[in-house]
Amino acid sequence: GQQVMQIPQYQHVQEGEDFTTYCNSSTTLSNIQWYKQRPGGHPVFLIQLVKSGEVKKQKRLTFQFGEAKKNSSLHITATQTTDVGTYFCAGTGSNTGKLIFGQGTTLQVKP
Amino acid sequence: EADIYQTPRYLVIGTGKKITLECSQTMGHDKMYWYQQDPGMELHLIHYSYGVNSTEKGDLSSESTVSRIRTEHFPLTLESARPSHTSQYLCASSRMGGGRELFFGEGSRLTVL
Repeated sequence: GQQVMQIPQYQHVQEGEDFTTYCNSSTTLSNIQWYKQRPGGHPVFLIQLVKSGEVKKQKRLTFQFGEAKKNSSLHITATQTTDVGTYFCAGTGSNTGKLIFGQGTTLQVKP
Repeated sequence: EADIYQTPRYLVIGTGKKITLECSQTMGHDKMYWYQQDPGMELHLIHYSYGVNSTEKGDLSSESTVSRIRTEHFPLTLESARPSHTSQYLCASSRMGGGRELFFGEGSRLTVL
């Protein structure tokens, strides 16, 4: 069945360093969404990518959707302590229409 | 902020008790979902609904049941709680159609002793 793998599972960085999490699907996706969950909180929608090769930016966050629409990445430039949390990707299968979440990447930022 | 509410936020209960977790949204969304999440772990879809009188089981088998009698309300029930049910339960909703963002409630943290 459709699977969405996300790496790394955990990442510890020093404040000011960059951070990247990667999302890979076993099947082609019609779109990919990214969510952020703060410690003790609930997932909050960040962005959706739809087009092959699409790149979107939100301040220090850069989201990419692969050319084959099977992978995606989230890059944070110059991390801050407010970036702490778990970042989830979620892909909608082109054939199934089902939204599948990745396992999440938990980011810790040392001040 | 999304208009989706879950009660109770925290619940500690003894084994064998029946519990109902409430979820309500005021956005008129047709799709609603229940996810189960252990601390710091991935989200597991346990139930979803595409509208009134529609309920489906998700990817993770669950002993809980759900109902959708009204568009805005999607309660989850456990007839006999067990310690293995200890987890966080997140309710979410979205508009109909593909590629719609999910709005999550704040979650219900269940502890079964």
